[in-house]
Amino acid sequence: AQSVTQLDSQVPVFEEAPVELRCNYSSSVSVYLFWYVQYPNQGLQLLLKYLSGSTLVKGINGFEAEFNKSQTSFHLRKPSVHISDTAEYFCAVSGDYGGSQGNLIFGKGTKLSVKP
Amino acid sequence: SQTIHQWPATLVQPVGSPLSLECTVEGTSNPNLYWYRQAAGRGLQLLFYSVGIGQISSEVPQNLSASRPQDRQFILSSKKLLLSDSGFYLCAWSVGHETDNEQFFGPGTRLTVL
Repeated sequence: AQSVTQLDSQVPVFEEAPVELRCNYSSSVSVYLFWYVQYPNQGLQLLLKYLSGSTLVKGINGFEAEFNKSQTSFHLRKPSVHISDTAEYFCAVSGDYGGSQGNLIFGKGTKLSVKP
Repeated sequence: SQTIHQWPATLVQPVGSPLSLECTVEGTSNPNLYWYRQAAGRGLQLLFYSVGIGQISSEVPQNLSASRPQDRQFILSSKKLLLSDSGFYLCAWSVGHETDNEQFFGPGTRLTVL
């Protein structure tokens, strides 16, 4: 069975500092990987996704993530954060089922708090 | 372009009362549809998913039920709410018969059961 572990439940950081949000997954099949962001009292918005090809994926708002198959990781990074990046971030994985089910397995989320 | 709507945005209900939350998708056909719940400190829990009209799969046993009366309509219901049903309910859709499984989320409904 697939699972996703987000190692940090909360990450405080100062504005303009770099940040890395960690995500590890377990799966016995080829995977697709996603990072979503959720601002308070809103739905989830896709930041970026890895399907295949280059292991470095660039997303919206200056975020990027690197797929590391040997370490089964998909860590999210941003070189310089802004106050507006304060939100909860979710890592998710889906398997190569080849079907229409479309289920994602989500991590428990990491709350990023950017302080001035 | 595709859009997803949920209503109501917020809801306060007494214990034992019924519930009906609605989700509709525009701009696509035959989507996969999902209901999630977020409770404090518990992340995102998949409650139900549907791959077509009248086809509902339940992920966890609970006090809730789901229905899909039309292709782009997904309803979450309860006959009698419990305190533990409080949370933030999210509806999502994905393209049917696609394997990348990207899901698109609605704005959510905040349910408080008193």
